[in-house]
Amino acid sequence: NAGVTQTPKFQVLKTGQSMTLQCAQDMNHEYMSWYRQDPGMGLRLIHYSVGAGITDQGEVPNGYNVSRSTTEDFPLRLLSAAPSQTSVYFCASTPDRGSYEQYFGPGTRLTVT
Amino acid sequence: QQQVKQSPQSLIVQKGGIPIINCAYENTAFDYFPWYQQFPGKGPALLIAIRPDVSEKKEGRFTISFNKSAKQFSLHIMDSQPGDSATYFCAASQRAAGNKLTFGGGTRVLVKP
Repeated sequence: NAGVTQTPKFQVLKTGQSMTLQCAQDMNHEYMSWYRQDPGMGLRLIHYSVGAGITDQGEVPNGYNVSRSTTEDFPLRLLSAAPSQTSVYFCASTPDRGSYEQYFGPGTRLTVT
Repeated sequence: QQQVKQSPQSLIVQKGGIPIINCAYENTAFDYFPWYQQFPGKGPALLIAIRPDVSEKKEGRFTISFNKSAKQFSLHIMDSQPGDSATYFCAASQRAAGNKLTFGGGTRVLVKP
């Protein structure tokens, strides 16, 4: 199993541009999440999904959209990038809502200039 | 408002020393307290976890101490090794809230040879 994969590894955007961060998992996990990691702030939940077709907002959802059309994929869209969205983004998956352990991808480092 | 507060932000110890990382939480409904370990350029990975009905849990050289009345928990790394150099995050979650993780700010641990 590849586990949780994320692309790209690095990305530089100009303010106002849009892009999609890709996340995929091959473990048939129901539950998937997106976090952003900023120095001293830990990881903060952006959006999550408890299954295909079901998404919900986390702690810091503004400026981001998600969709979950398949169990495997959970892309994160930045609608109009801002410098405040400069961060490292992690996707994670969990077998189901009753499970506690989250499996994280390797991350995408995003810089918005 | 940070629901899980972690200290210190960074820690340097000599090989064989015992780094101790402390976390405090506010929400008494939290029912699962994991610690995640993150190496540079990688995603976090679950290290050890505890539930509030247990005061201590050991896995290898890693020990969690839990004080429910004080709403505090800590990670001890016994006989620390240079390979333990990483960033450590405490977290908390609540089954009734879908097991979404709330993370502390992280502690960067450096173990000198």
